[in-house]
Amino acid sequence: SYVLTQPPSVSVAPGQTARITCGVNNIGSKGVHWYQQKPGQAPVLVVYDDSDRPSGIPERFSGSNSGNTATLTISRVEAGDEADYYCQVWDSRSDHFYVFGTGTKVTVL
Amino acid sequence: EVQLVESGGGLVQAGGSLRLSCAASGFTVSSNYMSWVRQAPGKGLEWVSVIYSGGSTNYADSVKGRFTTSRDNSKNTLYLQMNSLRAEDTALYYCARVLHYYDRSGYYYSWFDPWGQGTLVTVSS
Repeated sequence: SYVLTQPPSVSVAPGQTARITCGVNNIGSKGVHWYQQKPGQAPVLVVYDDSDRPSGIPERFSGSNSGNTATLTISRVEAGDEADYYCQVWDSRSDHFYVFGTGTKVTVL
Repeated sequence: EVQLVESGGGLVQAGGSLRLSCAASGFTVSSNYMSWVRQAPGKGLEWVSVIYSGGSTNYADSVKGRFTTSRDNSKNTLYLQMNSLRAEDTALYYCARVLHYYDRSGYYYSWFDPWGQGTLVTVSS
């Protein structure tokens, strides 16, 4: 199986923009989905299909995917955005059909 | 409201068995794909299994031959039967509904929404 590489941590001041990357060769050819997990809580879908938002997710959350890198962008960061974030793809060639990224801890300064 | 509630976790000795349950409300389990995903303490997410609406299943290599996913349509409930448990199976186990589609080019896209709150399985060696 392959690994979706994310930075272990990202720090951002309130009101600024956080960008979380998810990388693997040719990830642009796959659909990338992003989850937010706050301490002690279950993951919550925040972006699916590279850039679509489920109902109830603020427009501050956006996604893009091209080449070897997918990116989750959180604009106008708030204290409540502090959480772990995971990317995910589906790949039938993997021994895990559903592959998750290594996870990124977002800290709001 | 679409909701998933897991139960059945606990402490078990290595080599033992445990069955997890996931009760769904707000949608029909048998009409959807459903998955189990686990998270070892302090670690990331790992997909475990999927059961398709037709009833067939797929598993991660790490659990293949030891875990079995099934469902009871009358109870609208998903199950994970875990046998020959190992210390490395210690984790919080989540059930999740799988959403998916094929695009015009035939590419497949699949993700999880919503997730249950999880049930903790601890395997002692």
